[in-house]
Amino acid sequence: DTAVSQTPKYLVTQMGNDKSIKCEQNLGHDTMYWYKQDSKKFLKIMFSYNNKELIINETVPNRFSPKSPDKAHLNLHINSLELGDSAVYFCASSRDYSGGAETQYFGPGTRLLVL
Amino acid sequence: SQQGEEDPQALSIQEGENATMNCSYKTSINNLQWYRQNSGRGLVHLILIRSNEREKHSGRLRVTLDTSKKSSSLLITASRAADTASYFCATDPSGNTPLVFGKGTRLSVIA
Repeated sequence: DTAVSQTPKYLVTQMGNDKSIKCEQNLGHDTMYWYKQDSKKFLKIMFSYNNKELIINETVPNRFSPKSPDKAHLNLHINSLELGDSAVYFCASSRDYSGGAETQYFGPGTRLLVL
Repeated sequence: SQQGEEDPQALSIQEGENATMNCSYKTSINNLQWYRQNSGRGLVHLILIRSNEREKHSGRLRVTLDTSKKSSSLLITASRAADTASYFCATDPSGNTPLVFGKGTRLSVIA
């Protein structure tokens, strides 16, 4: 009965490959997010979807493309992976989008290593 | 640019002692949240304090907010080894903007 789940947990791949990370939440939330946490633990938002619609798109290379087939799922596809993409990617969800007024629930993270 | 800065970057204390972590931010906020991250895990929400609140409690946690100094503190009383984690503050700089996280304080509680 995991609230926010991500797959895979670990992803090791070669530079130039394309990979996807999947996220699902069973909390009935309307809003989902993708964050990137670098080696120094700095957590930065990448995207946010509210009811399957993109509402936040921070300055992220267009090699990263989120897709929300329904409001319980938000997947992240990354094309032409680069060394600098190595990081931990977290999915999160919140009841709705109210900026910082809503508690966010995080998934366990996907550790991506690009060789 | 980063909004919240936690201080200290790392803190090591003995079990039973109190731990205090501080967060300073640059612009006006509506809300400030504190999250905990255990090693290798996702973040877990601890407490949310609104800009018109000065103090909130939750169990052994006490959060204060001083909007005039643009700072917040998280106090964990009677710390336990299980409190070992990184603690992050997160703010919403203006209006309906996404949360901006600091770099966190790494707390080690030694049994």
